[in-house]
This record gives sequence, C-alpha cells and structure tokens, in this order.
Amino acid sequence: AQSVTQLDSQVPVFEEAPVELRCNYSSSVSVYLFWYVQYPNQGLQLLLKYLSGSTLVESINGFEAEFNKSQTSFHLRKPSVHISDTAEYFCAVTPSGFQKLVFGTGTRLLVSP
Amino acid sequence: KAGVTQTPRYLIKTRGQQVTLSCSPISGHRSVSWYQQTPGQGLQFLFEYFSETQRNKGNFPGRFSGRQFSNSRSEMNVSTLELGDSALYLCASSSRTGGDTEAFFGQGTRLTVV
Repeated sequence: AQSVTQLDSQVPVFEEAPVELRCNYSSSVSVYLFWYVQYPNQGLQLLLKYLSGSTLVESINGFEAEFNKSQTSFHLRKPSVHISDTAEYFCAVTPSGFQKLVFGTGTRLLVSP
Repeated sequence: KAGVTQTPRYLIKTRGQQVTLSCSPISGHRSVSWYQQTPGQGLQFLFEYFSETQRNKGNFPGRFSGRQFSNSRSEMNVSTLELGDSALYLCASSSRTGGDTEAFFGQGTRLTVV
C-alpha cells in the first residue's frame, strides 16, 4: 500500500518570497509522483510529475520539485510566489502500472501582499 | 479539445435515496477514475474503469458502484445515501491506464445529503 504525508496544512507567505511545500511518501513498490493544484470550486490540475530520469522536475509556471529516493520525499518549491499561486496543493503517488492516485491531505498556500 | 465534463455540478439528496453522477472524458481517453473529496478524509480513490472494465477499486462499501459505456462515458451510483456521503466527487480521465499518463480532472459534482 502507499501513503503520502504533507506535514503542513497551511503555509502563509508574502508575495515574491520563496516557498517550499513538503511531501513524503511510503510505498513497498515503485511509484510515480505528482503535484496537483486545486483552486476554489475547481477540479485538480497537474502541476508536475516525476516518472523517471532527472530527479528535478519543473513546471511551466516556475514551480519545481525534487525526487529524493533515500528520503522518500518530493518537496515542491518556488523561488518567488505570486498572489495567484494561492491555492491548495496536493502531493500524490500512484503505483507504476496503475491509474490509482493516493493523495496527501493537501497544503493550503496563502500568498499575501 | 473539450475537457472532462461532469454533470450535474450540484446535487441535493435525502438520506436513503440513490444518486447517479455522470462523467464524460476527454475525447479519445479510455480510462476514467473516480475520487471522493471530503474535509475529513481528503481525496480518496473510488474506482477506475478502462474499456468498460473495472480495473481497480478503492476501499468503499458496495453502495458505491460504477460503470463505463462503450463511448468511455462513465457513471457512478451511490445507493442508500448517508449523511457522510456528502462530498465533492471528482472524475479523471486519461488516455490509457497505467500511472505514467496524466489524469485530467473534471470540476466535480458536489453532493449534499440532507
């Protein structure tokens, strides 16, 4: 079975400051890792994913995440946040070969001016 | 390309009733997954259908069921509704099964059980 832990339920940050959202996972089989973002009253949008290869993955809007196998982590970072980044962020894993996402409890990112 | 469409967007039902939710995947996508999102339990996987066959099932009681049609559209049914079934139900489609393909989510159906 797989599990995902997002220790921070809420992260307040000022605009243009850097941010890191933490994600740790547990799995007895190989998994793929994802970060999804959810804006109010919306579905989930894929932010970035790690399948294999380079452990550092980037999104088109400035977010990046690094897969660390030894620490079983997949933390999300952004060097400078915008007000529009205010949303809930979910880390998720799925066993390779299955379309069955296991989500963390989410981290609410609150960006203030 | 149209996204994943879920209907209806909002539903209010009474305890004991049953409900059917609908999901139209992105054209060409054959895998449809369903998730339940609640404040207490978060996002939980319900089931996945691929080519009209249920491939995976989450840890939900038998009151929760689903099916997929030949055009890949999917329906989810919940019978004998309980107050705890109040949730946002999200559908996701992907081009094929296997976790390496991106899952595209619909906006969800918000079910309120009174």
